[in-house]
Amino acid sequence: SQTIHQWPATLVQPVGSPLSLECTVEGTSNPNLYWYRQAAGRGLQLLFYSVGIGQISSEVPQNLSASRPQDRQFILSSKKLLLSDSGFYLCAWSGGGFGQGTRLTVV
Amino acid sequence: GENVEQHPSTLSVQEGDSAVIKCTYSDSASNYFPWYKQELGKRPQLIIDIRSNVGEKKDQRIAVTLNKTAKHFSLHITETQPEDSAVYFCAALYNFNKFYFGSGTKLNVKP
Repeated sequence: SQTIHQWPATLVQPVGSPLSLECTVEGTSNPNLYWYRQAAGRGLQLLFYSVGIGQISSEVPQNLSASRPQDRQFILSSKKLLLSDSGFYLCAWSGGGFGQGTRLTVV
Repeated sequence: GENVEQHPSTLSVQEGDSAVIKCTYSDSASNYFPWYKQELGKRPQLIIDIRSNVGEKKDQRIAVTLNKTAKHFSLHITETQPEDSAVYFCAALYNFNKFYFGSGTKLNVKP
């Protein structure tokens, strides 16, 4: 069966620091992978999606970037975090499952 | 792109009653429509889905209907229980690549 792993679960980072969130999928090959952000009490905003290695599409202009160095690995990054980057970040794959989520607080 | 609208944003029902959540989508190319349940602080969990070649699908107390012509789909929960209380999201798979989500419905089942 397919599983999706995302880490870390929680993160507190100062403004201006870098960010790296990682997501991996097991049990499938060539999945589409997604990063979403969810503000408190709000819906899911699609940030990036990837249909294959090195292929990244961005949905909204922002302070974040994504990379897909391997077929089943998807990374969300930032060089300098802003306060507005705080939120709940979720990785998902095209089979319909989500990672556990990362609660990011920028202080 | 795709635009998914979801209503209502909040829904309060008495235990044992039915709950219905509705979504519309804009692009007729969307062909897969999952529903998710998200409990506070947790990841969304897939609870049921439907593909565009099917009009209705049922799994115990939950069912989903799809009207391709009108481009809307609905989640039906019967005999609601307090543990059904959560936020529910609909989604549409657009162009075989991107999942777009509705804005969510907070369901409160009162015991």
